[in-house]
Amino acid sequence: NAGVTQTPKFRVLKTGQSMTLLCAQDMNHEYMYWYRQDPGMGLRLIHYSVGEGTTAKGEVPDGYNVSRLKKQNFLLGLESAAPSQTSVYFCASSPVSREQYFGPGTRLTVT
Amino acid sequence: SQQGEEDPQALSIQEGENATMNCSYKTSINNLQWYRQNSGRGLVHLILIRSNEREKHSGRLRVTLDTSKKSSSLLITASRAADTASYFCATKDGSGAGSYQLTFGKGTKLSVIP
Repeated sequence: NAGVTQTPKFRVLKTGQSMTLLCAQDMNHEYMYWYRQDPGMGLRLIHYSVGEGTTAKGEVPDGYNVSRLKKQNFLLGLESAAPSQTSVYFCASSPVSREQYFGPGTRLTVT
Repeated sequence: SQQGEEDPQALSIQEGENATMNCSYKTSINNLQWYRQNSGRGLVHLILIRSNEREKHSGRLRVTLDTSKKSSSLLITASRAADTASYFCATKDGSGAGSYQLTFGKGTKLSVIP
């Protein structure tokens, strides 16, 4: 099993550009999550999904959109990137109400 | 908003010593989890303790939970250089609202010196 994978691993964007981060899990988990991690801030939840076709806002959803068209995939979109979105992004998945399994992260820089 | 707050922010010990990290939180919880993050990597789940449990062990890890004080501690015994990492506590809300989410603290950075 690959677990949770994230694509890409690194990306540099210019302000105003758009991009999509892809998360895939092969553990048949119902729940999936997107976090951002900034120095000294810990992890903050952006959006999450409790099943295929459902999404919900987390703590810091502004400037991001998500979609979960297939159970195994959870996409995070930035429509118009801003320097404040420079961060490391982590995807995670979990069985219902249990521990979360994290991907390796995507390091995004917005210039 | 941050629910769990770890203490200390950084800890440096010699190999073979024990390391203790603490986590405090503000509201009622369903469970509390500890995760490890090696530099440049994703988080790895270590242990989950439910609100009705007081202590749990996993190998060299011992976690305690005191719901009256809204605090938890993670003890790593006989530390090794490979334990060098950041450790995060995360709480699952016990009120029903936001029950799908975990709220993470800012972490304790542990350095184990060989």
